[in-house]
Amino acid sequence: QLQLQESGPGLVKPSETLSLTCTVSGGSISSGSYYWGWIRQPPGKGLEWIGSIYYSGSTYYNPSLKSRVTISVDTSKNQFSLKLSSVTAADTAVYYCARHFWWELLTYFDYWGQGTLVTVSS
Amino acid sequence: QSVLTQPPSVSAAPGQKVTISCSGSSSNIGNNYVSWYQQLPGSAPQLLIYDNNERPSGIPDRFSGSKSGTSATLDITGLQTGDEADYYCGTWDSSLSAEVFGGGTKLTVL
Repeated sequence: QLQLQESGPGLVKPSETLSLTCTVSGGSISSGSYYWGWIRQPPGKGLEWIGSIYYSGSTYYNPSLKSRVTISVDTSKNQFSLKLSSVTAADTAVYYCARHFWWELLTYFDYWGQGTLVTVSS
Repeated sequence: QSVLTQPPSVSAAPGQKVTISCSGSSSNIGNNYVSWYQQLPGSAPQLLIYDNNERPSGIPDRFSGSKSGTSATLDITGLQTGDEADYYCGTWDSSLSAEVFGGGTKLTVL
């Protein structure tokens, strides 16, 4: 059974960079047909896609966050990571990593991590 | 303000049927495939429906999806108290070049 687990600091200061890692177990991050994505959910609000990466390193970012986001992959560790720079209180959210099926116009997230709350505060 | 519009809440009695709507446009639902997610309280979202009307293995056939034009619907029959959750629709938006979600619908089973 595929499992994803987020890890990283739960508290980040304003203007600093948020860094999270997602470790994938029970399957290879290098398997074809799947991207690996990050989605966030501010407290009490809805879901927002941040971006996704293919094992080859190809990335797609939400245009609303693109200037501040970097997603990378480490196939040797079966991990992918998120960096979000210049954070503000508006970036406080539960951050989820997920497996992202993406073939032409068909996209969906079929496996999710449990999520990790990141609070931006001094 | 979400790109996809869902009712904030719906409710129905146990055993009844409920329909959750998701309205979009030609740049998203109208020309792309819709997925639905269930988020139980305190948990991560779970995929319920993909490709407009396909269910992943393990998802009961009480859950069904459909799409017509620029709107999609999620039907839940034989409601159970365990179905109380937030439900989100999602799809790709070709104009925004982004995966977008609805604002979510809170289902209460009275």
